[in-house]
Amino acid sequence: ETGVTQSPTHLIKTRGQQVTLRCSSQSGHNTVSWYQQALGQGPQFIFQYYREEENGRGNFPPRFSGLQFPNYSSELNVNALELDDSALYLCASSRTGAGTEAFFGQGTRLTVV
Amino acid sequence: SQQGEEDPQALSIQEGENATMNCSYKTSINNLQWYRQNSGRGLVHLILIRSNEREKHSGRLRVTLDTSKKSSSLLITASRAADTASYFCATERNNNDMRFGAGTRLTVKP
Repeated sequence: ETGVTQSPTHLIKTRGQQVTLRCSSQSGHNTVSWYQQALGQGPQFIFQYYREEENGRGNFPPRFSGLQFPNYSSELNVNALELDDSALYLCASSRTGAGTEAFFGQGTRLTVV
Repeated sequence: SQQGEEDPQALSIQEGENATMNCSYKTSINNLQWYRQNSGRGLVHLILIRSNEREKHSGRLRVTLDTSKKSSSLLITASRAADTASYFCATERNNNDMRFGAGTRLTVKP
């Protein structure tokens, strides 16, 4: 167990809907990163939050947005869901700074129908 | 976009054998990390190697890094059935901005 918890574990949504995924980071970690992992692929970096500000973003459209709260927990919001958004969404927490280990949650499996 | 590419995509060995996985990447990095993932769940950190290091060991794991060739390898010695998982390399250029490859799926047969 890494101490990073994600909710919900599974979710089914309809195309066009909006979804919010949640992540509680490990104690002492101030940085949260979100990844999308399609079946059979590696995780793709969505964005990172540090001290409640976005601190880097991957190649994802603006309908993917996030928040980080004062307790360093985080949300990932996806608007106007598309079928291709079906994936495992992973949250990772870490202390800031290059070369620090990231601790991953177990992920949220999102299915868009 | 993904930075690292693992090779092979899949590897099947017998228990007790060694498993070697390779990772190639395209741009300069601060460090490279290897992660393990069981059955599409969360990733577990295995080892980190910095750009100024050439080799690191952790238990049965040995990682090498060749920055001139932009490549890394992960060796698992004396493999066990419990090592069956997908293994990913992740390169880092900035703070925790990790880019993963597509992974190597390792199967260790008892």
